[in-house]
Amino acid sequence: GQQVMQIPQYQHVQEGEDFTTYCNSSTTLSNIQWYKQRPGGHPVFLIQLVKSGEVKKQKRLTFQFGEAKKNSSLHITATQTTDVGTYFCAGDRNNAGNMLTFGGGTRLMVKP
Amino acid sequence: DAGITQSPRHKVTETGTPVTLRCHQTENHRYMYWYRQDPGHGLRLIHYSYGVKDTDKGEVSDGYSVSRSKTEDFLLTLESATSSQTSVYFCAISTSVGTGELFFGEGSRLTVL
Repeated sequence: GQQVMQIPQYQHVQEGEDFTTYCNSSTTLSNIQWYKQRPGGHPVFLIQLVKSGEVKKQKRLTFQFGEAKKNSSLHITATQTTDVGTYFCAGDRNNAGNMLTFGGGTRLMVKP
Repeated sequence: DAGITQSPRHKVTETGTPVTLRCHQTENHRYMYWYRQDPGHGLRLIHYSYGVKDTDKGEVSDGYSVSRSKTEDFLLTLESATSSQTSVYFCAISTSVGTGELFFGEGSRLTVL
């Protein structure tokens, strides 16, 4: 079945440093979504990427979808303590949204 | 806030007992999902529903059943709970077909002793 791998599993950074998490799928995806989960909270939708090579930005967050639509990345510039949490990618293989497959998540810890 | 309520939020039970988790939504969305979250595994889909009495299995459906007799309620049942089902369970809804963006409930933490 479809697998979505995410690395790294954990990342400690000093506040102000950059952070990147990578997501790789074993199959081509129709779209990929990113979620953030604060400690003790529930996942919250951040963004969806649909087009090959697509790049989207949300303030200090930059999301990329690979040309082959099998990988994606989330880059945070100049991390802040408010960025703490676990970031998940989720791949949709049939564009129906019915069967999202989540990566294992990257837990980001930021030292002030 | 997509109007999703999960109950109970916390439950401790013993192996072999039945458990039912409830997900309630207030906005009549068609698609509802149950995920479980375990360290290192992300979120794994248990079952989902695309309408009243229309449900289908996800990737980790063994040991779980679901029912949806009303649009607003999606129930997840563990007929005979096992320790491996200790987890945090999240209900989610999708507000539009094709977009796939999920809105999650607050989660239900289940401990099976």
